Amino acid sequence: DVKVTQSSRYLVKRTGEKVFLECVQDMDHENMFWYRQDPGLGLRLIYFSYDVKMKEKGDIPEGYSVSREKKERFSLILESASTNQTSMYLCASIERANTEAFFGQGTRLTVV
Amino acid sequence: AQSVTQLGSHVSVSEGALVLLRCNYSSSVPPYLFWYVQYPNQGLQLLLKYTSAATLVKGINGFEAEFKKSETSFHLTKPSAHMSDAAEYFCVLGGTGNQFYFGTGTSLTVIP
Repeated sequence: DVKVTQSSRYLVKRTGEKVFLECVQDMDHENMFWYRQDPGLGLRLIYFSYDVKMKEKGDIPEGYSVSREKKERFSLILESASTNQTSMYLCASIERANTEAFFGQGTRLTVV
Repeated sequence: AQSVTQLGSHVSVSEGALVLLRCNYSSSVPPYLFWYVQYPNQGLQLLLKYTSAATLVKGINGFEAEFKKSETSFHLTKPSAHMSDAAEYFCVLGGTGNQFYFGTGTSLTVIP
């Protein structure tokens, strides 16, 4: 019954490393999102994608990039990890606007 | 501008007591509103959604929410809290395009 899968639940990386967070959905959704979640700040949109190879910046794209080579997979890339990117990262997908969003289990990333 | 405000970042109730989590929204178009729940170290899952069909919306686990246009509110209620209701709750506004606007979340504690 798994619909959105994130590749890792917990990650520990060193400052300066390149980090890949993977997200796969099995619902054939066009739209996929990456959020980060921090206490007191709620969820903030990093990037989203509305089609293969298409991407749009969200509210906090600095320090991140994304890749959508296949419809089912949306990857978040931290080019050079920094300690202020320690956070919970959540991937989501929706079929179309204003429908239910399906979330992955989240990846808790710690950058040391 | 579209936005969501959740009043109270932490709410504590006794087991068996009424749960009331407050949400107000701002939207220039007819809103689509959602409540999501997040259990510790998990992703978000949908509790209920308002899509203009009915102002009183029933969701899973005994939760319901009432849409009040005059008050721009969409408060979440449950008549009798259970220990398993302890979680983080997010009010979400569907925006134009495919974006969502998240409240900052309310952490619900249930006291035995």
